[in-house]
Amino acid sequence: SQKIEQNSEALNIQEGKTATLTCNYTNYSPAYLQWYRQDPGRGPVFLLLIRENEKEKRKERLKVTFDTTLKQSLFHITASQPADSATYLCALDRGSGTYKYIFGTGTRLKVLA
Amino acid sequence: DAGVTQSPTHLIKTRGQQVTLRCSPKSGHDTVSWYQQALGQGPQFIFQYYEEEERQRGNFPDRFSGHQFPNYSSELNVNALLLGDSALYLCASSIPGTETQYFGPGTRLLVL
Repeated sequence: SQKIEQNSEALNIQEGKTATLTCNYTNYSPAYLQWYRQDPGRGPVFLLLIRENEKEKRKERLKVTFDTTLKQSLFHITASQPADSATYLCALDRGSGTYKYIFGTGTRLKVLA
Repeated sequence: DAGVTQSPTHLIKTRGQQVTLRCSPKSGHDTVSWYQQALGQGPQFIFQYYEEEERQRGNFPDRFSGHQFPNYSSELNVNALLLGDSALYLCASSIPGTETQYFGPGTRLLVL
């Protein structure tokens, strides 16, 4: 069956370090993958999208990689700050002809001052 | 420019009751998707509306129904509420041909 896995354990890192979050998927062939940030009690906020033919995408301190062979995406936050503390969700499209996004369970990141 | 808005913010119902949640999409957006997010889980796709029609549906029973109005706003209706329907209900809007979804703040539903 189709599955998306994100590390359910919270990730604690020191301020200034690089946070790396993982999104693995099985039995999908997504055309693109998205990362969202979600704060407690709020809706997800779109951060980055990477397509299947792109290896890497950057936006300010954020970097996303997409390895369709490994079926994995890595999400990096460099020079992390306490304000980066949140839950980060990855989402995949179901492929052409569908409009449904499948979300992972999210990884909670805590940046310690 | 107002983002996606949802009402109410919180709601308490009892088992067997019916509930209606409302969503106004971001200005210029004509597509609305609804998601259910249980505590500690990722959002689960319920359905998507475009041009006042349900375009796609996730694995939710017929107790979950929706509607989209000519002004693109949308409602989510849930009948015969179960305890397991307690969750954060999220609305997301987008423009056809773009992949980015803009989420509202959600409606927190508690079923007792």
